[in-house]
Amino acid sequence: QQQVKQSPQSLIVQKGGISIINCAYENTAFDYFPWYQQFPGKGPALLIAIRPDVSEKKEGRFTISFNKSAKQFSLHIMDSQPGDSATYFCAASMTSGTYKYIFGTGTRLKVLA
Amino acid sequence: GAVVSQHPSWVICKSGTSVKIECRSLDFQATTMFWYRQFPKQSLMLMATSNEGSKATYEQGVEKDKFLINHASLTLSTLTVTSAHPEDSSFYICSEQGAGTDTQYFGPGTRLTVL
Repeated sequence: QQQVKQSPQSLIVQKGGISIINCAYENTAFDYFPWYQQFPGKGPALLIAIRPDVSEKKEGRFTISFNKSAKQFSLHIMDSQPGDSATYFCAASMTSGTYKYIFGTGTRLKVLA
Repeated sequence: GAVVSQHPSWVICKSGTSVKIECRSLDFQATTMFWYRQFPKQSLMLMATSNEGSKATYEQGVEKDKFLINHASLTLSTLTVTSAHPEDSSFYICSEQGAGTDTQYFGPGTRLTVL
């Protein structure tokens, strides 16, 4: 019940295309869902985060869509660029208690020039 | 977001030696710090959670006597890998979270190679 399932494992997108990464969770107590971007040899960097009281959040080219009833959320990267090539992790957390993050397994995105 | 530094960024040591990794919050008072390890092409695995001035809480399967965590101040946490072995070779990453906030900010990571 603590798992966060992430798909796809890898993704190849043409420059200018839309990259879509999906995550699903079981624990309805989760109430904070961040996305992180990680380049090789670097620590993860926060991209965008959402809470269950909104269905969508947009920051620049990055959008999170959230479906509370389906217990799913997804990251959309619009106008994907080669510089977006990285590994993306979704996570889920309960904002009470220990605040531990449960991470997805990661998606390796490659944007072709 | 908050700025977190780690030192060293990489370290190579001989089997049986101990290695200390520092995690510093540069612009933020981190109530809670987390330590993760990450193997190549895998997700982040939480090792332990530490709060300033108290003992760390270790995840199941993580040896607390092998991975010593000290969170002596609101801006510094250290992870000491004692009697390191080649299987301890990994990428170690810390993160911090301030009181009343939900976001973890990660350090740049430390690559440990044990020969």
